Amino acid sequence: DAKTTQPTSMDCAEGRAANLPCNHSTISGNEYVYWYRQIHSQGPQYIIHGLKNNETNEMASLIITEDRKSSTLILPHATLRDTAVYYCIVRVLYGQNFVFGPGTRLSVLP
Amino acid sequence: DTAVSQTPKYLVTQMGNDKSIKCEQNLGHDTMYWYKQDSKKFLKIMFSYNNKELIINETVPNRFSPKSPDKAHLNLHINSLELGDSAVYFCASSYRTSEQYFGPGTRLTVT
Repeated sequence: DAKTTQPTSMDCAEGRAANLPCNHSTISGNEYVYWYRQIHSQGPQYIIHGLKNNETNEMASLIITEDRKSSTLILPHATLRDTAVYYCIVRVLYGQNFVFGPGTRLSVLP
Repeated sequence: DTAVSQTPKYLVTQMGNDKSIKCEQNLGHDTMYWYKQDSKKFLKIMFSYNNKELIINETVPNRFSPKSPDKAHLNLHINSLELGDSAVYFCASSYRTSEQYFGPGTRLTVT
């Protein structure tokens, strides 16, 4: 599975959109981009995944660049409860396991 | 209703003891996993079971033995516990190997 690169940490003001970037320049054609998050002391939580089209669900939006070498997870109206570590993972759809990197620590500030 | 549950939530034990962690999912998934998250917060896959059959066994000491009595349960038994086994252990499940849903974790402390 391709490697991803994310900023170590980010801050976002409560109520504003949080835009979390991820680079995956070695992604191959059959690999999907997945996003998970881990709120302190809890298990990781699935957020969203996509192949090449932009995706949206009740939690977030995923914007994937046309060349698929990077993506952005958007939390449209961040709340304090969105403070967590966010993981961007690239994997084939039915690959064997998810490889979690260090992720981005998002702090939503009041 | 809890989708993926683990017991116990906390486990404190002494070196050399044998302990088990239980995991149950009520999502109807056919694949279950164990992950270990150490003090540096890196989350690593340990085992994966599909329809009660082992499909992933990463480099894990053979003191760790998973057991899956049915598709809804995957237990982790650890023999001769060592200090380095202290970590948070997460169970997860998925349908086939699509997105995974994680349990709340079991914090194991070996003294």
